[in-house]
Amino acid sequence: RKEVEQDPGPFNVPEGATVAFNCTYSNSASQSFFWYRQDCRKEPKLLMSVYSSGNEDGRFTAQLNRASQYISLLIRDSKLSDSATYLCVVNMRGLDMRFGAGTRLTVKP
Amino acid sequence: NAGVTQTPKFQVLKTGQSMTLQCAQDMNHNSMYWYRQDPGMGLRLIYYSASEGTTDKGEVPNGYNVSRLNKREFSLRLESAAPSQTSVYFCASSPDPYNEQFFGPGTRLTVL
Repeated sequence: RKEVEQDPGPFNVPEGATVAFNCTYSNSASQSFFWYRQDCRKEPKLLMSVYSSGNEDGRFTAQLNRASQYISLLIRDSKLSDSATYLCVVNMRGLDMRFGAGTRLTVKP
Repeated sequence: NAGVTQTPKFQVLKTGQSMTLQCAQDMNHNSMYWYRQDPGMGLRLIYYSASEGTTDKGEVPNGYNVSRLNKREFSLRLESAAPSQTSVYFCASSPDPYNEQFFGPGTRLTVL
């Protein structure tokens, strides 16, 4: 089993749709969880951290389920500008970070 | 502030050649990282440094060495490049493991 696994994608959705991504992780002792966004041929940039109680930032909601060892990202009212690859990141131990392979999202008019 | 800078942006090497990728950050971050990203894959951690003077192996350290020269700089060295090391290399820094990592623009390396 991979240490961090994401939905394979790609996701192709119309503008205004709601889309959800999941990411499972193998280390029950992991402490830090993040969602990053990566545009084509660019560096990853933080979308949001994921907190135990769940957190929301505008149209984006992140949740953590420690019992089932997964994190999720929900995007509401998708915009064309949301088209990107979304990467989940989990720390295995301290600074030892693992990225998922990424889920590609394309939002179409 | 420049954030995280990497040099060079592009490099082509022949098998067996050596080179050093440079990374510097001006955010006074303690932690620094080197990743590689291959097509269709997420980033894989090569080495990381929790603070000046310390380095640790990540997921894929074989064929690489690193130096944390000071708090600002973290270099990655390929002693004898192989075609399997063709990749995009990203450097990142963060205040600590529980906060956002800031990435440099990447170095696109091709080994022939």
